[in-house]
Amino acid sequence: DTGVSQDPRHKITKRGQNVTFRCDPISEHNRLYWYRQTLGQGPEFLTYFQNEAQLEKSRLLSDRFSAERPKGSFSTLEIQRTEQGDSAMYLCASSSADGFSSYEQYFGPGTRLTVT
Amino acid sequence: AQTVTQSQPEMSVQEAETVTLSCTYDTSESDYYLFWYKQPPSRQMILVIRQEAYKQQNATENRFSVNFQKAAKSFSLKISDSQLGDAAMYFCALQGGSEKLVFGKGTKLTVNP
Repeated sequence: DTGVSQDPRHKITKRGQNVTFRCDPISEHNRLYWYRQTLGQGPEFLTYFQNEAQLEKSRLLSDRFSAERPKGSFSTLEIQRTEQGDSAMYLCASSSADGFSSYEQYFGPGTRLTVT
Repeated sequence: AQTVTQSQPEMSVQEAETVTLSCTYDTSESDYYLFWYKQPPSRQMILVIRQEAYKQQNATENRFSVNFQKAAKSFSLKISDSQLGDAAMYFCALQGGSEKLVFGKGTKLTVNP
């Protein structure tokens, strides 16, 4: 399967703990996005990368959140000192870009985080 | 700020019938894209159809078509000959002035046999 993959698929953690999620995009895609989806809502944008550069961050991405894409391939999203409000599905997507044209974002299966 | 509104939290349709899902949006961008994404239960989101705002012709993909009314900022999805596999959450999304997608809250579509 050459689609977007995310690991882990499910994570249960206690409040105050740190968690890290990984996303592997489609190999030829240079853009990678993170979204958060809570129950009954549509996904909300968190951040995106073009290659290894983080080009945009949402105000939703508090200081406890950090994302990296060190070599322009996979990405990690870390949440420090988790809170119950962080419980959500974290979605990763990737796309290719040609100059200023952007194409379809392909989504991964998501990582469901439960903070107890 | 860009917004997307889906006013129908749930819709149902009989198999083989036609259903229309509504979406309105707001943006100050002159160049933007509109999308409908499908999210089946416990499965990943997939793109159903895409519309470039500068194109007057409505996009179609097999049984899926849109009614894009730019002046009214309306972007509805019509599903013809509904199938059981069409049952899912459907999200309308807007991309303009930025690479991020702005999503509506979704419409849950049930297909009755």
